[in-house]
Amino acid sequence: AQKITQTQPGMFVQEKEAVTLDCTYDTSDQSYGLFWYKQPSSGEMIFLIYQGSYDEQNATEGRYSLNFQKARKSANLVISASQLGDSAMYFCAMREETSGTYKYIFGTGTRLKVLA
Amino acid sequence: SQTIHQWPATLVQPVGSPLSLECTVEGTSNPNLYWYRQAAGRGLQLLFYSVGIGQISSEVPQNLSASRPQDRQFILSSKKLLLSDSGFYLCAWSHPGQGEKLFFGSGTQLSVL
Repeated sequence: AQKITQTQPGMFVQEKEAVTLDCTYDTSDQSYGLFWYKQPSSGEMIFLIYQGSYDEQNATEGRYSLNFQKARKSANLVISASQLGDSAMYFCAMREETSGTYKYIFGTGTRLKVLA
Repeated sequence: SQTIHQWPATLVQPVGSPLSLECTVEGTSNPNLYWYRQAAGRGLQLLFYSVGIGQISSEVPQNLSASRPQDRQFILSSKKLLLSDSGFYLCAWSHPGQGEKLFFGSGTQLSVL
């Protein structure tokens, strides 16, 4: 079973508008972490935002916010005021602990295209 | 500051040839190290991870192996490459003292022909 599910293979958004990228996760752990990474065409992986499972407040980092709904097991990324430079692949990931070691599991990604 | 070096950036290899990709981390000690593979236009698949020298955990049984001969060195190898080994390989590290993030190298684009 998929542990991280991103159901939107591709998304379009108009420049300066907000966009939400969906992510749901599956875990039986009480302690876990959720991440979003951006991968531009260069291939580098850029960390965007992190949410811990015990964090009560939704994480925010500049124009990025993470809409964390624990009961629904969802961790959607919201990008406000989209810019052309936001066009990239976006990955949701979960950190889970296995035998005292952290593993990071990634979703299949969402390709975002910002339109001028 | 911590940095991660991964090389080569691109590699074209014939089927059946061996492979060695190297990754080194600077500026931290005893990191957790990871190898991921990304098929074209797809997500990241965790291949191996390591918590210390000589300690390797494999996530997916396949044609590849990993080794950690030194604390900050992680090597991905194959004795005989298959066409299906083509992809973008990313090395990454994490450390409890560096928060929760996973830090990535710049990746190696491997084409097996």
